[in-house]
Amino acid sequence: QKEVEQNSGPLSVPEGAIASLNCTYSDRGSQSFFWYRQYSGKSPELIMFIYSNGDKEDGRFTAQLNKASQYVSLLIRDSQPSDSATYLCAVIGIKAAGNKLTFGGGTRVLVKP
Amino acid sequence: DGGITQSPKYLFRKEGQNVTLSCEQNLNHDAMYWYRQDPGQGLRLIYYSQIVNDFQKGDIAEGYSVSREKKESFPLTVTSAQKNPTAFYLCASSQTSGGFYEQYFGPGTRLTVT
Repeated sequence: QKEVEQNSGPLSVPEGAIASLNCTYSDRGSQSFFWYRQYSGKSPELIMFIYSNGDKEDGRFTAQLNKASQYVSLLIRDSQPSDSATYLCAVIGIKAAGNKLTFGGGTRVLVKP
Repeated sequence: DGGITQSPKYLFRKEGQNVTLSCEQNLNHDAMYWYRQDPGQGLRLIYYSQIVNDFQKGDIAEGYSVSREKKESFPLTVTSAQKNPTAFYLCASSQTSGGFYEQYFGPGTRLTVT
């Protein structure tokens, strides 16, 4: 079992719809969770982080964390073509030396006009 | 402007040569990291440093070396011992206290070895 798992996609979403991305993790004691957006050929850009159970909203993005079920999700509301990218989920495990991030393989999102 | 810079953006080398990738940050972050990304794959940690003059191996350190002589700088050397060095190399930095551990990435260096 991979430590952090994501569906590779592509997730095809009509413009204006909600894109829903999921991420599961194996380390039950993980404390910190991050979503990065990566455009093709570019470096990852941090778009959300969440440390507590529940929802966290920032503009069109909402991160949802459920530690009991060991998943974290990202919702993108009113999806735009500019949201087309690969979204990386990253986790800091409870035993992670140096606050090391463990990444999932990423979910590719395609927003169609 | 605060941020992380990496140079060069593209690097081409012949097999058997060592090459050093630069990473500088002016965010006053204590921790710095080096990751490698291969096409269609996630990021894998090479080395990290939480304080000046100290660094630790990550998951794929073989064939790489680093130094941390200054807080702002964390150069990575890809040695001839690295079997498959062609990849996208990403440097990141973060705070280490106050409960804030978000890592921010530089623009990356794309290394091609032929």
